[in-house]
Amino acid sequence: GAGVSQSPRYKVAKRGQDVALRCDPISGHVSLFWYQQALGQGPEFLTYFQNEAQLDKSGLPSDRFFAERPEGSVSTLKIQRTQQEDSAVYLCASSLAQGWETQYFGPGTRLLVL
Amino acid sequence: RKEVEQDPGPFNVPEGATVAFNCTYSNSASQSFFWYRQDCRKEPKLLMSVYSSGNEDGRFTAQLNRASQYISLLIRDSKLSDSATYLCVVNEGYLNTGTASKLTFGTGTRLQVTL
Repeated sequence: GAGVSQSPRYKVAKRGQDVALRCDPISGHVSLFWYQQALGQGPEFLTYFQNEAQLDKSGLPSDRFFAERPEGSVSTLKIQRTQQEDSAVYLCASSLAQGWETQYFGPGTRLLVL
Repeated sequence: RKEVEQDPGPFNVPEGATVAFNCTYSNSASQSFFWYRQDCRKEPKLLMSVYSSGNEDGRFTAQLNRASQYISLLIRDSKLSDSATYLCVVNEGYLNTGTASKLTFGTGTRLQVTL
């Protein structure tokens, strides 16, 4: 079946611009996670949804970052007034339930802020 | 101190060699442990879960020592296709609900297998 998909795959933004990154999880997956991966680093947690409920947003680096999953399926990560330090790969992952199942990652959105 | 620490490498080994990666984690309450593999410009993919009893999958063997908070991955008979970054990953779980939580990744160890 289809895996996790993300769009756009690449995004170039001018500093100060707002961007929206989309994640389509595997159909039926309850849990959805967003991670940020800087060059040469491992992914770092941003936020977690269980269905439409955002249960953990402790990893969001500032109030410029906002995520939603209004119908418990597709999720959008929005970054307002982008800064150069926001340049990274943004990875979305989903898992079947709220237990200890494997998290499956999408291909990521590579964001470059100029 | 990072929550999950790994030697970033790179490890350059010839085909057929045995190579071992180590990782330490700081949260003694961590619940589950994994090795993920990440190819250049690709997403991380689960290589294997790691259990206290040790587990093996073909040429790959993973070990967990909870007392030392130490995780290892052994790759035997290295292949060119094993060249990648290997990420040590921990899931701490949410204490209040007992459910799974975010994954905490190490920086990754880069492996380059050569002819």
